[in-house]
Amino acid sequence: DSGVTQTPKHLITATGQRVTLRCSPRSGDLSVYWYQQSLDQGLQFLIQYYNGEERAKGNILERFSAQQFPDLHSELNLSSLELGDSALYFCASSVGTGKLNTEAFFGQGTRLTVV
Amino acid sequence: AQSVTQLGSHVSVSEGALVLLRCNYSSSVPPYLFWYVQYPNQGLQLLLKYTSAATLVKGINGFEAEFKKSETSFHLTKPSAHMSDAAEYFCAVISNSGNTPLVFGKGTRLSVIA
Repeated sequence: DSGVTQTPKHLITATGQRVTLRCSPRSGDLSVYWYQQSLDQGLQFLIQYYNGEERAKGNILERFSAQQFPDLHSELNLSSLELGDSALYFCASSVGTGKLNTEAFFGQGTRLTVV
Repeated sequence: AQSVTQLGSHVSVSEGALVLLRCNYSSSVPPYLFWYVQYPNQGLQLLLKYTSAATLVKGINGFEAEFKKSETSFHLTKPSAHMSDAAEYFCAVISNSGNTPLVFGKGTRLSVIA
């Protein structure tokens, strides 16, 4: 058990809908990262938050957004869903940034299926 | 930008044989390098990491990797494969300041044949 909790584990929804994925980082970790894993794209970095503030942005679509709350949990919002958004979404956390960023712990992921 | 290339999307070895999974990085400055393993229907687990200390890094489950600056490589090895090693393995990199998120390779699926 990595200590990172993601809910829900599975999500099936229709095209055009909006969903929210939730992540609770390990106790004490201030950084949260979101990754998308699909067969054709591999593991793609989406976005990072550190202590409530956006720290880095990757290949995140405009239809997607995220935030980190004062209690450090994070949510990834996916809207106007398309079939191609079907993927495994991972959350990871680390103690901080810089030299404290050298070990990230991953949750078990949320499998999103868009039908 | 930092990146890693994993050679071979699928590697198959016999039980008891040497495991060698290849990873090359692209950076003019030696970065921090990682190997993660993903078992079916699970998240990623850190196997080992190189953060500019010893060039030969030992990890969990008998795996080790050697950082070779001259070859810009960080190959993962295990002397004797077990059936339980069958999984997807990812090489990953961040800058040596740690100020970039983890960037992953495409992954290598390891199959172990009895």
